[in-house]
Amino acid sequence: AQSVAQPEDQVNVAEGNPLTVKCTYSVSGNPYLFWYVQYPNRGLQFLLKYITGDNLVKGSYGFEAEFNKSQTSFHLKKPSALVSDSALYFCAVRDIIGQNFVFGPGTRLSVLP
Amino acid sequence: SQTIHQWPATLVQPVGSPLSLECTVEGTSNPNLYWYRQAAGRGLQLLFYSVGIGQISSEVPQNLSASRPQDRQFILSSKKLLLSDSGFYLCAWSAPDRFGELFFGEGSRLTVL
Repeated sequence: AQSVAQPEDQVNVAEGNPLTVKCTYSVSGNPYLFWYVQYPNRGLQFLLKYITGDNLVKGSYGFEAEFNKSQTSFHLKKPSALVSDSALYFCAVRDIIGQNFVFGPGTRLSVLP
Repeated sequence: SQTIHQWPATLVQPVGSPLSLECTVEGTSNPNLYWYRQAAGRGLQLLFYSVGIGQISSEVPQNLSASRPQDRQFILSSKKLLLSDSGFYLCAWSAPDRFGELFFGEGSRLTVL
């Protein structure tokens, strides 16, 4: 069965510094991986996905993620954090057989001015 | 372009009362549809998903049910609400192909008193 882990409950970073939000996964077969962001009392917004191809995936709002098959990781990154990036971030993997999406527990990112 | 509508946005209901949350998708055909629940602003729990009219898969046994009376309409119901049903309910859709991402509605916050 697919599973996703986000080992950090909370990540704090200063504005202007690079940020990383970690994600590891466990799947049988090829992984289809996604990152979402959620602002308070809102639905989740899609940031980026990895299906195949280049291991570095670029997405919305300057975010990117690096797929590492040997480490089964898909970390979210941004070169320079903004205060407005403060939100809850979810990593997810798609079950290609069952059509389900399995989400990690979420990581709360706080960007300090 | 595709849009997803979910209502009501906020609901306060007494224990034992019925529930109906509705979700509709526009601009696409034969979407996969999903209901998630998010407790305490954290992890997402998949409740139901549907790959077609009348086809509902339940992930968690509970007093909730789902129906898909039309291709782009997904309804979450309960005959008698429990206190534990309180939470943030999110409807989502994805394209029926294997690689599409999830698109979420804005959520419905349910408080059971």
